Amino acid sequence: DTEVTQTPKHLVMGMTNKKSLKCEQHMGHRAMYWYKQKAKKPPELMFVYSYEKLSINESVPSRFSPECPNSSLLNLHLHALQPEDSALYLCASSPRGANEQFFGPGTRLTVL
Amino acid sequence: KNEVEQSPQNLTAQEGEFITINCSYSVGISALHWLQQHPGGGIVSLFMLSSGKKKHGRLIATINIQEKHSSLHITASHPRDSAVYICAVSQGAQKLVFGQGTRLTINP
Repeated sequence: DTEVTQTPKHLVMGMTNKKSLKCEQHMGHRAMYWYKQKAKKPPELMFVYSYEKLSINESVPSRFSPECPNSSLLNLHLHALQPEDSALYLCASSPRGANEQFFGPGTRLTVL
Repeated sequence: KNEVEQSPQNLTAQEGEFITINCSYSVGISALHWLQQHPGGGIVSLFMLSSGKKKHGRLIATINIQEKHSSLHITASHPRDSAVYICAVSQGAQKLVFGQGTRLTINP
């Protein structure tokens, strides 16, 4: 298995909802990433997990809560989001100590 | 000024044309990446370079470390090459610094 999968592909939620995004890889990669991408902009790094521990949090608001339950799975829990949080959320993974990142197809999130 | 600058921002060409996208960076890097993103889609890694030149099919990527410059070339361009091409640099492991992207449209 040589890909990063993300579910769901699309998500529409209200500002009071709680939802989660899921990312999975079975390549044995030990670093996993969450990015946010607005239209016509490059991705912005949100979080990095290394060996299942949070190693980078790019000052992301607490309404986004990451979780790495095991080395293959990365979740992003969403609560009380704002309409401006609507974006494409991309997950990526990379092998230990490597520069190259492998991206998933993304979850398109719309907050109403 | 962005640490990674790409040019042009937008490029429209006819099928079959030779395409060049440029990337300049102002920071020390451990590697440079060329990425491709189709509309509404995920990102695909095309090349990772730390020196010299790499070729994959109709795509060629070069890097000049002294001049802090890289180019992505597409030969015999095709409408399916239409996408956003993103240059990104690694500063050590884990962090990528992205350029703003080049939106390429190839007309039949």
